[in-house]
Order: sequence, then C-alpha cells, then structure tokens
Amino acid sequence: EVKLLESGGGLVQPGGSLRLSCAASGFTFTDFYMSWIRQPPGKAPEWLGVIRNKANGYTTEYNPSVKGRFTISRDNTQNILYLQMNTLRAEDTAIYYCARSEYYGYNYWGQGVMVTVSS
Amino acid sequence: DIQMTQSPSFLSASVGDRVTINCKASQNINKYLNWYQQKLGEAPKRLIYNTNNLQTGIPSRFSGSGSGTDYTLTISSLQPEDFATYFCLQHNSFPDTFGAGTKLELK
Repeated sequence: EVKLLESGGGLVQPGGSLRLSCAASGFTFTDFYMSWIRQPPGKAPEWLGVIRNKANGYTTEYNPSVKGRFTISRDNTQNILYLQMNTLRAEDTAIYYCARSEYYGYNYWGQGVMVTVSS
Repeated sequence: DIQMTQSPSFLSASVGDRVTINCKASQNINKYLNWYQQKLGEAPKRLIYNTNNLQTGIPSRFSGSGSGTDYTLTISSLQPEDFATYFCLQHNSFPDTFGAGTKLELK
C-alpha cells in the first residue's frame, strides 16, 4: 500500500525557514517523480515543484512563484522527500502536501501538514 | 504558465440531478487533465485522469470529456456523498496548474 506522511509543519515568523519531510512507503521510491503541492485555506491547490526519479537524474522543476526560495530534495536511502522553505511570507501559509507524480498526474497524496507564517 | 479557468465557482443542486463542471485551458493541454474531489479536512481525491479515464474505485456516475482547451466533468445522478469541492488539474507542462474550484452544494 502506497503511503505518504508529511511532517515538520508549524508556526514560523515571517522571514524564517522551515523544512518539511515526506516519508514514503509501499513503492520503489527511486522509480518515481515526487512533487510538493500546497493549498492555502479556502483556496485551490498550487503546484510547487517536482524532483524527478533516478532514471532522470533527480533533477528538479519549480513553480516560478517559489523558485529561489524553496528547494526540493530527496533521501533515496531513507525514502524521504524534503521541502526546504526560506524567507517565508504570510502568503506561504497553507497546507502542504507531498504527492507521487505519475504519467497520468497525481493519484497518491499525503494527508498534508499545516504551515502558518505569522508574527 | 497555462491558466485553467474553471466554472461555475458554485453550484447548487439536488440529489439525483445531472451536473457538469467545466475547465478551459489557456492553451492546448493534450488531454492531460485530471479531476479531483475534495472534502473538508481531506486531501484531494482523483476521480478522472487523462480527461476521460475513471480512477479505480470511483463510481461510474462520474465521467470526463474534452480535448484541446475545453474539458468537462459530469456527474450523472448526484448522490449525497458527492457534495464537495471539485478541481481540475492540467499536467501537460510545468508548472502544473489547478482550476480555482467548484463548490457543489445541496439545494
């Protein structure tokens, strides 16, 4: 069974940093692209970026809205996906989801973790 | 970036009704279109992938259609558990983009 479990959320001050983790299980982690998607309260989801699989060199793509502030990485020995978020702003307040990227889009999502940016 | 214009934003309907939700892309997305249902406090759940393919376990009253820039989700006969928010997602090109959502409410 595919499972994705995010952690690391919480309250952070504007300008601060936070690193989210997503523990993956139930599939061969290195075979899949992995993405981060966020959803501000009451709004639509927003795709943040993707890290490709082993066959594609673990390269990354980012949404221009977060490029330069957010970094996606992965630990392929522990099957963990990361999202490093720097220079956080109030508008980064959202539920953050990791999702397994497939040819047909996103079927498997984590349960989400809340990040609140506020002083 | 590809913009996804979803309509309507709100939809009021009754059990048994047939409803349609639309998404229009700002350019051709080659049928790389997913539909999701989201209930309060839950992650989105995929209903349809690649325009018209029903996700395993999803009831057949859900269907999708479209091509090019115009796509539609149809629910043939609303059930009580279908009242939720629906989103489209294009994954033809990065950044993947979502529609703004349609909140389906009980009339």
